[in-house]
Amino acid sequence: DAMVIQNPRYQVTQFGKPVTLSCSQTLNHNVMYWYQQKSSQAPKLLFHYYDKDFNNEADTPDNFQSRRPNTSFCFLDIRSPGLGDAAMYLCATSLQGDYGYTFGSGTRLTVV
Amino acid sequence: SQKIEQNSEALNIQEGKTATLTCNYTNYSPAYLQWYRQDPGRGPVFLLLIRENEKEKRKERLKVTFDTTLKQSLFHITASQPADSATYLCALGDTDKLIFGTGTRLQVFP
Repeated sequence: DAMVIQNPRYQVTQFGKPVTLSCSQTLNHNVMYWYQQKSSQAPKLLFHYYDKDFNNEADTPDNFQSRRPNTSFCFLDIRSPGLGDAAMYLCATSLQGDYGYTFGSGTRLTVV
Repeated sequence: SQKIEQNSEALNIQEGKTATLTCNYTNYSPAYLQWYRQDPGRGPVFLLLIRENEKEKRKERLKVTFDTTLKQSLFHITASQPADSATYLCALGDTDKLIFGTGTRLQVFP
């Protein structure tokens, strides 16, 4: 089945130690998104790609970076995780336009 | 700034009744609005989309209305079942970007 896969499901990292979360898709969607969701809060858009064109949200901290080496894969890099970065990170894909998003199951990040 | 409001208190209803969830927004004129279901520890799942020029959309037991004058969308689940228990997120869109509300938790009791 076509889907969006996020790895790992759970990630524990040390304060200040760089961490990378990954997302892959088999839907061939040209738009990919990274959202951060903290407990009982709305998913917050960090950045998104139209194909290879990167779009950063104005309030996304510089500590967060992203890479999209090809259509299928997208990575979220957190350069120096702080305790406040503990959250669920959601990857989503869509076709360009007003289409519904397909989300992965998310990666739950814990910072110790 | 843009603001989306969904009832933060859980909605508890009995099986078989119609659940109605509300999404209000301010400082925004979205081209479309979407509703998602989210189960604990999982990613949201797309349910329905309604565009600014549409008043109502239906899909099986689901119905969505969109009033751009009131800046409000209503989401209805008819003949609700315990399996419908989840958090329901409203999301507003313009071009290719969605802004989500915090969601309303629905609990359907047998």
